[in-house]
Amino acid sequence: RKEVEQDPGPFNVPEGATVAFNCTYSNSASQSFFWYRQDCRKEPKLLMSVYSSGNEDGRFTAQLNRASQYISLLIRDSKLSDSATYLCVVRGTGGFKTIFGAGTRLFVKA
Amino acid sequence: NAGVTQTPKFQVLKTGQSMTLQCAQDMNHEYMSWYRQDPGMGLRLIHYSVGAGITDQGEVPNGYNVSRSTTEDFPLRLLSAAPSQTSVYFCASESGTRREQYFGPGTRLTVT
Repeated sequence: RKEVEQDPGPFNVPEGATVAFNCTYSNSASQSFFWYRQDCRKEPKLLMSVYSSGNEDGRFTAQLNRASQYISLLIRDSKLSDSATYLCVVRGTGGFKTIFGAGTRLFVKA
Repeated sequence: NAGVTQTPKFQVLKTGQSMTLQCAQDMNHEYMSWYRQDPGMGLRLIHYSVGAGITDQGEVPNGYNVSRSTTEDFPLRLLSAAPSQTSVYFCASESGTRREQYFGPGTRLTVT
């Protein structure tokens, strides 16, 4: 079993739709959680950190469920510009134990 | 403020050649890392540094060396290139407090 698993997609949604991605992790001692977006042939860019209480940034909402060991990303009112690959990142305590998911591809169509 | 810069953007090597991938950051971040990204896989950590003079191995360190003589620079050396090292290489830096990483634009390396 991979340490961090994501549905690779692709998710094809129309503009204005709401779409949700999940990411599961296997190490219950994981401490820090993030969502990054990566455009084709570009570097990953931080989208948002994920906090235990859940957090929102505009149209994006991230949730953490420690009991079930998954994090989620909800995108509301999808825009064409949201088309990208979304990477889930899980980090351990101290050190540099950093695990990236393989990513979920999203296509938003007009 | 350029953030994280990497050179070169593209490189083709023959098997057995050596080269150095450059990475620099101007954010005064303590932590820097090197990752490789292969199709269908998540980024994998090669080496990292928690400060000048301090480096350690990540998940896939074989065939690579690093050094950190200054806070700003963190070069990655390929000692004897192999086709299995064909990949996209990303350098990242972070401040250590919020643990959010910032990535350079990447180097696309092909080993023939």
